[in-house]
Amino acid sequence: DAGVIQSPRHEVTEMGQEVTLRCKPISGHDYLFWYRQTMMRGLELLIYFNNNVPIDDSGMPEDRFSAKMPNASFSTLKIQPSEPRDSAVYFCASTPGLAKNIQYFGAGTRLSVL
Amino acid sequence: KNQVEQSPQSLIILEGKNCTLQCNYTVSPFSNLRWYKQDTGRGPVSLTIMTFSENTKSNGRYTATLDADTKQSSLHITASQLSDSASYICVVSVTGGFKTIFGAGTRLFVKA
Repeated sequence: DAGVIQSPRHEVTEMGQEVTLRCKPISGHDYLFWYRQTMMRGLELLIYFNNNVPIDDSGMPEDRFSAKMPNASFSTLKIQPSEPRDSAVYFCASTPGLAKNIQYFGAGTRLSVL
Repeated sequence: KNQVEQSPQSLIILEGKNCTLQCNYTVSPFSNLRWYKQDTGRGPVSLTIMTFSENTKSNGRYTATLDADTKQSSLHITASQLSDSASYICVVSVTGGFKTIFGAGTRLFVKA
């Protein structure tokens, strides 16, 4: 398996624009997570899905952030409108189940909002 | 308040030397503790995972320990290599879901 695949790897946009980050989890993994990482705050869990259903979105910072998982092999994280303080590296991770709980991370998307 | 604190913040060692990274947590109810290695520009990679009943877990030259009574964990790296240069993140999970508390990480630099 190719692992968790994220796109794009880098995104530069202007304040106010819509940004969409994409993630393809490892096949057969029932859980998918979105994280944000900054120097100031480290890694933060934004939201996670189980079998395509959002379970916990308490980490989503504002209504400007939304995440979807239309099927088992694809998820998006959207920011609309984007702001400079959203600049960070966004990671997607997946895991087969709760018991093992080893999460496999993608390479991340580095977002810069100017 | 659930917190995970790591020390030191950064560390420089010579290739071939051993080192130990510390993680103290105040997380309840405790489910498991994981150590991740994150290379620059990459996503974190799991090194070890320990539950309440486990006090040692090894992965090659990496050995993690857990003292659930004192709520402390350590990650020991033996015979360090240049490729060990990375950030090491301690992550503690709460029972009953995927609520996780991340430490700020220890940045390790291994010099030749």
